[in-house]
Amino acid sequence: ETGVTQSPTHLIKTRGQQVTLRCSSQSGHNTVSWYQQALGQGPQFIFQYYREEENGRGNFPPRFSGLQFPNYSSELNVNALELDDSALYLCASSGAPGTPEAFFGQGTRLTVV
Amino acid sequence: AQSVTQLGSHVSVSEGALVLLRCNYSSSVPPYLFWYVQYPNQGLQLLLKYTSAATLVKGINGFEAEFKKSETSFHLTKPSAHMSDAAEYFCAVSGRTGANSKLTFGKGITLSVRP
Repeated sequence: ETGVTQSPTHLIKTRGQQVTLRCSSQSGHNTVSWYQQALGQGPQFIFQYYREEENGRGNFPPRFSGLQFPNYSSELNVNALELDDSALYLCASSGAPGTPEAFFGQGTRLTVV
Repeated sequence: AQSVTQLGSHVSVSEGALVLLRCNYSSSVPPYLFWYVQYPNQGLQLLLKYTSAATLVKGINGFEAEFKKSETSFHLTKPSAHMSDAAEYFCAVSGRTGANSKLTFGKGITLSVRP
């Protein structure tokens, strides 16, 4: 067990709705990264937060946004959901960017119908 | 820019046989390299990582991998497969500085273990 917790574990949303996913990072970690894993694919980097600031973003549209809080927990928000947003969303926490070890949560399975 | 190529999407071995999962990487900066395992409906668990110390890296559950710069490879091996090794395996690369520290994953390899 990594100490990284994500909520909820599963949810179903309708196309066009908005969703918020949550992640509590491991104690002592100040960096959180989010990844999207479509079925049968490897995880794709969405963005990273370090000390409450965005520290890099992957090739995802602006309707994917995030926050990091003073306790280093994080949220991923997705607006105007599309069917292709159906995926497993993974959160990873680590020390400062460049620290070569990230611990992943169990993920949130999002289904858009 | 960084990328990872995992050859083949599915590997099947007999219990007790050698496991070899291939990974080749491309990176414009000195990389960190990782292997992660994913069991159904779970997150990713780190098996092992290369960070520029020994080129032969030992990980959990009897797995090891060798970094070969000349071949840009980081293949994962295990001498004797167990039924419990059946899972999805991902190779990943990252840079060593903040701006490059995101993980870039391959598409993954499904390992099946036959009794």
